Amino acid sequence: DVKVTQSSRYLVKRTGEKVFLECVQDMDHENMFWYRQDPGLGLRLIYFSYDVKMKEKGDIPEGYSVSREKKERFSLILESASTNQTSMYLCASSLGSASGSYEQYFGPGTRLTVT
Amino acid sequence: LAKTTQPISMDSYEGQEVNITCSHNNIATNDYITWYQQFPSQGPRFIIQGYKTKVTNEVASLFIPADRKSSTLSLPRVSLSDTAVYYCLVGDDRGSTLGRLYFGRGTQLTVWP
Repeated sequence: DVKVTQSSRYLVKRTGEKVFLECVQDMDHENMFWYRQDPGLGLRLIYFSYDVKMKEKGDIPEGYSVSREKKERFSLILESASTNQTSMYLCASSLGSASGSYEQYFGPGTRLTVT
Repeated sequence: LAKTTQPISMDSYEGQEVNITCSHNNIATNDYITWYQQFPSQGPRFIIQGYKTKVTNEVASLFIPADRKSSTLSLPRVSLSDTAVYYCLVGDDRGSTLGRLYFGRGTQLTVWP
């Protein structure tokens, strides 16, 4: 079974702190994604990566950055956390374009609260 | 970016068949239709994917008419554990269009005893 793990289930940070959210997948997937999920807004894509050191902006990249130094690990960074970044953060991975499959495998999520 | 329209919520009773319809009028030729299920405090989980006609797996069926402007997820004989949010996605999530799947708000299905 594909496993996507996220470093924390719950996280509380203060405004202005630098926050790192880590995601690891164990199935050699090419693609990795970071979403945030807020009530009434569904999932919104923040950033994604299709290869090591490659990244693309999603729909709401402002206030975030990402890092992918190794294929299995994709980090989301909040440079200076703000209260409007309080949300559920979901990481996902998918096999890649050659597979013909679009299935994304999601982690359990990190509920981040910024106070 | 092919966006979708689906009902905000639906109610059903145990043992009934549930059909959730999704509209995607501007679906592109290369787009696939994918459905995900999400339980509270969990990430979404892939249910089924199709391109045209009908696809069936052990969990659900997906019906896609010839014009592909809509699709219907069919859940046979639902149980309380099928209470979840269901997302309809349309896209070609690879190559230059990677990352362009739109999850939207989904449909909250509530199954009652």
